[in-house]
Amino acid sequence: SQQGEEDPQALSIQEGENATMNCSYKTSINNLQWYRQNSGRGLVHLILIRSNEREKHSGRLRVTLDTSKKSSSLLITASRAADTASYFCATDYGNNRLAFGKGNQVVVIP
Amino acid sequence: EAGVAQSPRYKIIEKRQSVAFWCNPISGHATLYWYQQILGQGPKLLIQFQNNGVVDDSQLPKDRFSAERLKGVDSTLKIQPAKLEDSAVYLCASSARQPEAFFGQGTRLTVV
Repeated sequence: SQQGEEDPQALSIQEGENATMNCSYKTSINNLQWYRQNSGRGLVHLILIRSNEREKHSGRLRVTLDTSKKSSSLLITASRAADTASYFCATDYGNNRLAFGKGNQVVVIP
Repeated sequence: EAGVAQSPRYKIIEKRQSVAFWCNPISGHATLYWYQQILGQGPKLLIQFQNNGVVDDSQLPKDRFSAERLKGVDSTLKIQPAKLEDSAVYLCASSARQPEAFFGQGTRLTVV
């Protein structure tokens, strides 16, 4: 299976703190993407990092990719209550086929 | 830009009944995906279309699930007959040339 797996799976933090999530995958990929899902809603694309990139930033998001370890991390800085959601990594293993991990549930306490 | 539209939002059926879900992707998006998301898990790809051709249906339980994308635009996913373990959210997504996928709100299916 190509599925990514996030670690840890549940995270509870105070507003203003940073949240870090990790993802590992099994085989070679074209790119790795992170998505957010609010309760009862569809997934929203956050950021994409290509296999030849090591780090990428978008606003308060920072994603890293280590292809030698087949792992990625997502950092959300200065978290807000609105960041409360589930976060999924997805690996693109060719032909835009996306395999999702189990997800990280993040709760930001105001 | 209109997003991915799915209907219905919710469906409750009895086991062994049949059900169909509909998806209208973002205009111009050639790739369309159907995912199954069981409560507490990540989405699992059921089928991926490129225009009206199938790219990957390796995880589609073909004895009971079927999907079509006529004319390369909207798509339907059918389950016949449904089992209790089919209870899940069925997500449709689409993408253009860029690899990012845009998701609809999903259809929550409950099989009783």
